[in-house]
Amino acid sequence: DAGVIQSPRHEVTEMGQEVTLRCKPISGHNSLFWYRQTMMRGLELLIYFNNNVPIDDSGMPEDRFSAKMPNASFSTLKIQPSEPRDSAVYFCASSIQGWNQPQHFGDGTRLSIL
Amino acid sequence: DQQVKQNSPSLSVQEGRISILNCDYTNSMFDYFLWYKKYPAEGPTFLISISSIKDKNEDGRFTVFLNKSAKHLSLHIVPSQPGDSAVYFCAARGGSEKLVFGKGTKLTVNP
Repeated sequence: DAGVIQSPRHEVTEMGQEVTLRCKPISGHNSLFWYRQTMMRGLELLIYFNNNVPIDDSGMPEDRFSAKMPNASFSTLKIQPSEPRDSAVYFCASSIQGWNQPQHFGDGTRLSIL
Repeated sequence: DQQVKQNSPSLSVQEGRISILNCDYTNSMFDYFLWYKKYPAEGPTFLISISSIKDKNEDGRFTVFLNKSAKHLSLHIVPSQPGDSAVYFCAARGGSEKLVFGKGTKLTVNP
């Protein structure tokens, strides 16, 4: 079975550029989560979708960050404009339904903003 | 403020011995706890969980213990194997609230 698929695996770009991270959740999973991992803050939730609808975006750092889920099999996390402090590993995860089922994580996108 | 704390950044044990990873939490509303394992360049993988109505849950070599009065949980791995070397994350949630993760403990099992 295919797990959660994220692309790209690595992204290096210059400050000010737009960055788009992509995620394909596990088929049949109704919930999708975007996380950011840094040394300072650990793993923190950015946004949570259920049935393609954003439920909790309180973790989105600021207006430069946006996330969409146009259908059940695809989501994007966009940063525009990017800043060096956005450098981190971004994980996408999915679960069958909400918080009551274990989440399955993708392998992450390592983002470096120069 | 960190609601879930893993105070040991790293732990080293010998193959065959017991590994004990600890986790403390501050939020008394947390009622479900999970452990995830993470290998380098991969995403976290769910390992084992425990509900607050239990104080122990076992799955093969992995056992999670929950002490609600102390707001403490631990993961025991017996016997430890070199393939268990990874970063272990403790996570907790209350009701339908979001998961809160600790910062992880890096376990090294030496052959």
